[in-house]
Amino acid sequence: EAGVVQSPRYKIIEKKQPVAFWCNPISGHNTLYWYLQNLGQGPELLIRYENEEAVDDSQLPKDRFSAERLKGVDSTLKIQPAELGDSAVYLCASSLDRGVEETQYFGPGTRLLVL
Amino acid sequence: QKEVEQNSGPLSVPEGAIASLNCTYSDRGSQSFFWYRQYSGKSPELIMFIYSNGDKEDGRFTAQLNKASQYVSLLIRDSQPSDSATYLCAVLNDYKLSFGAGTTVTVRA
Repeated sequence: EAGVVQSPRYKIIEKKQPVAFWCNPISGHNTLYWYLQNLGQGPELLIRYENEEAVDDSQLPKDRFSAERLKGVDSTLKIQPAELGDSAVYLCASSLDRGVEETQYFGPGTRLLVL
Repeated sequence: QKEVEQNSGPLSVPEGAIASLNCTYSDRGSQSFFWYRQYSGKSPELIMFIYSNGDKEDGRFTAQLNKASQYVSLLIRDSQPSDSATYLCAVLNDYKLSFGAGTTVTVRA
């Protein structure tokens, strides 16, 4: 079974430029998450989708971040414009709704450097 | 108070020894508890989860949960150099997974 796929793996941009990350979850997983991970910290949730609905975007900085999951499968996370402080690893995860046994599986992440 | 706190480490253990990792959480209503391993430059990978009080064993790993004390731990028996990584504790509450900052473990050959 293929895991969560993310692209690109690395991205270097200048501040104020836009950037987009793409994620393809594990086949059949209806729930998709975007996390941000800073060095030395655990992942922090940005947004959670159930199918195509964003059910928790309370931690997403909506002034510059946006996300979509149009057909309930692939998802895109966008930052516009990027700031120096956005340099981090952006992780996508997916899961199958199984209540207390719901387990999230992570993709390899996109490492973003904003200069 | 942070939602999930882990002992800061780093933790250095000799090969073959037991590594003990601790995690406390603040929300008493938390439902499930997960341990992830993260190698440097890689993404978190699931080791195991637990949601009932007591112990749960999977190979060389044992997770222990005490909901009354809001405490979960991970024991790694017969530690190997390949166990050298950062271990993240994560707590599930109402579909939201909250992570600790992680404990870095180094296994000395």
